[in-house]
Amino acid sequence: ELKVEQNPLFLSMQEGKNYTIYCNYSTTSDRLYWYRQDPGKSLESLFVLLSNGAVKQEGRLMASLDTKARLSTLHITAAVHDLSATYFCAVDTGNQFYFGTGTSLTVIP
Amino acid sequence: DAGVTQSPTHLIKTRGQHVTLRCSPISGHKSVSWYQQVLGQGPQFIFQYYEKEERGRGNFPDRFSARQFPNYSSELNVNALLLGDSALYLCASSFWTSLNEQFFGPGTRLTVL
Repeated sequence: ELKVEQNPLFLSMQEGKNYTIYCNYSTTSDRLYWYRQDPGKSLESLFVLLSNGAVKQEGRLMASLDTKARLSTLHITAAVHDLSATYFCAVDTGNQFYFGTGTSLTVIP
Repeated sequence: DAGVTQSPTHLIKTRGQHVTLRCSPISGHKSVSWYQQVLGQGPQFIFQYYEKEERGRGNFPDRFSARQFPNYSSELNVNALLLGDSALYLCASSFWTSLNEQFFGPGTRLTVL
């Protein structure tokens, strides 16, 4: 069974700082997704990464994919409080979707 | 445009009962997927349907079943409920392309007593 591991699981960072969340997965896949979930809410799609070397950026978030290393990263630049949420990566194998364990991010003043 | 809608919002059942959850996809989306999210964990894939056919199945017992209707809406049925079935059940819809970007509904919170 495919495993999708994220680290860290919990992240507390100060406003204005940079940090990276890592997503490792255990089988070949060319499709990786990042989602955001606020407490008590559903999931919001952030990025879709479809090929090796793909890089997407939206505001203070940038996601990348290295299919050879089976690794995706979500980089946060100059964090602000509004980014506090849980972030999930997900891998699509073609007939199943596997979500990571999630990274709970808290941005503190 | 309306997003993915799910009903009911909340549901309380007792062990052994069955439950039916409903989902309407975004207009134009022909694929619907179901997920179970236990508190503090990531969503677990249950099923994906496209054009009324099951296209993917996760590691869930046969107590879980689903179907998709001609209008692309979907139902998830769970029989013989267990306490461990208490979770947020999420429905997601997509275009069924190589992109396969999933758009999630608000979820149904199921509590089994």
